[in-house]
Amino acid sequence: AQRVTQPEKLLSVFKGAPVELKCNYSYSGSPELFWYVQYSRQRLQLLLRHISRESIKGFTADLNKGETSFHLKKPFAQEEDSAMYYCALYAGNNRKLIWGLGTSLAVNP
Amino acid sequence: NAGVTQTPKFRVLKTGQSMTLLCAQDMNHEYMYWYRQDPGMGLRLIHYSVGEGTTAKGEVPDGYNVSRLKKQNFLLGLESAAPSQTSVYFCASQGSGGGYEQYFGPGTRLTVT
Repeated sequence: AQRVTQPEKLLSVFKGAPVELKCNYSYSGSPELFWYVQYSRQRLQLLLRHISRESIKGFTADLNKGETSFHLKKPFAQEEDSAMYYCALYAGNNRKLIWGLGTSLAVNP
Repeated sequence: NAGVTQTPKFRVLKTGQSMTLLCAQDMNHEYMYWYRQDPGMGLRLIHYSVGEGTTAKGEVPDGYNVSRLKKQNFLLGLESAAPSQTSVYFCASQGSGGGYEQYFGPGTRLTVT
């Protein structure tokens, strides 16, 4: 079955601390993986996609096919990073994204 | 470009009332989606469309209907609202040319009393 798991509902860190938001997936094919971010009461927007291997707002994410993971990392968290983060999997043939339940990141001053 | 827009932004309904949520996109995208977002439940797909005149059920379609008469518009209808449909509703669109990024609207906050 195709599934995305984000094991942490809430992650709280202090400003300047490293942050890692976990995402694990279950998919037998070649996955397309994404991180979306939703700031308070705003629309979801794409943060990262694994195929572009880019860094956005200091965040990076590496696809680890052996561990079926796509964890989101940032070395030094900022208060403005406080938001809800969703990991999503595109399984290809049904034109739908499979979503994790999201992790709420709180960066404390 | 406005991207994806949704109307209305907020609505309060009484149980049993009906309403239609409108989603519009100006990016010429083939695919459109309706999600609901509830605390602790993440995003759940209600219905989606892979082209004008076609719709399909998502994971939580009961109590909702949709129509895609024009490529740029995707309507979500509630025929007889129930308190369980209190939620934030997001529309999204996606192009067919690869990339698979979904573009979201600002959301509609619906309360059913």
